[in-house]
Amino acid sequence: QVQLQQWGAGLLKPSETLSLTCAVYSGSLDGYYWSWIRQPPGKGLEWIAEINHSGSTNYNMSLKSRVTISVDTSKNQLSLRLRSVTAADTALYYCARLQGPHVRRGVTRESYFDYWGQGALVTVSS
Amino acid sequence: DIQMTQSPSSLSASVGDRVTISCRASQSIINYLNWYQQKPGKAPKLLIYTASSLQSGVPSRFSGSGSGTDFTLTISSLQPEDFGTYYCQQSYGTPRTFGQGTKLDLK
Repeated sequence: QVQLQQWGAGLLKPSETLSLTCAVYSGSLDGYYWSWIRQPPGKGLEWIAEINHSGSTNYNMSLKSRVTISVDTSKNQLSLRLRSVTAADTALYYCARLQGPHVRRGVTRESYFDYWGQGALVTVSS
Repeated sequence: DIQMTQSPSSLSASVGDRVTISCRASQSIINYLNWYQQKPGKAPKLLIYTASSLQSGVPSRFSGSGSGTDFTLTISSLQPEDFGTYYCQQSYGTPRTFGQGTKLDLK
């Protein structure tokens, strides 16, 4: 059973950089895309970005200028950095595995999020 | 970006009821539509993928249908553990977008 375990700083001040890591257990990064998704308190889900094991990425253009995602295949981990945070970035952040019949070939249409991390609450406050 | 609109936003129902939740896309997404259930304080859980395929381990009372722009999630006989918030999500393109959610609670 694949497990995703997340961690990172929970309280930030405005203008600081959010940094989160997601470790994948009982599974490989290879053959999948791995996403970051966030959920402001009491609100819906917003997709941030995704990456595969070789570093191919897709970003939400609304956040792209502030986001960096990366993978460390030696540690079976992925990371998210979000620069210049504001209160609007306060949210529960999830990592999730993107699965689908064509994902291994780099085609992410017809895909779905089948495993999720437990979530990491990040609060931005002065 | 493809906008996903769910209706209703909230719904009260009783155990044993048949429940339907709708999701409309702002353009055709063929059948690249997924459904998730979220309980408070928990990550979303995949229920249905590509509009009508039941994820392994999900009870058969859950079903999905639709194509193009209009999709439906149906719970044939509501159980106590089915209460929570349901989200649709399109996988036609990026950015991957979700509906605003439908909160299902006990009448």
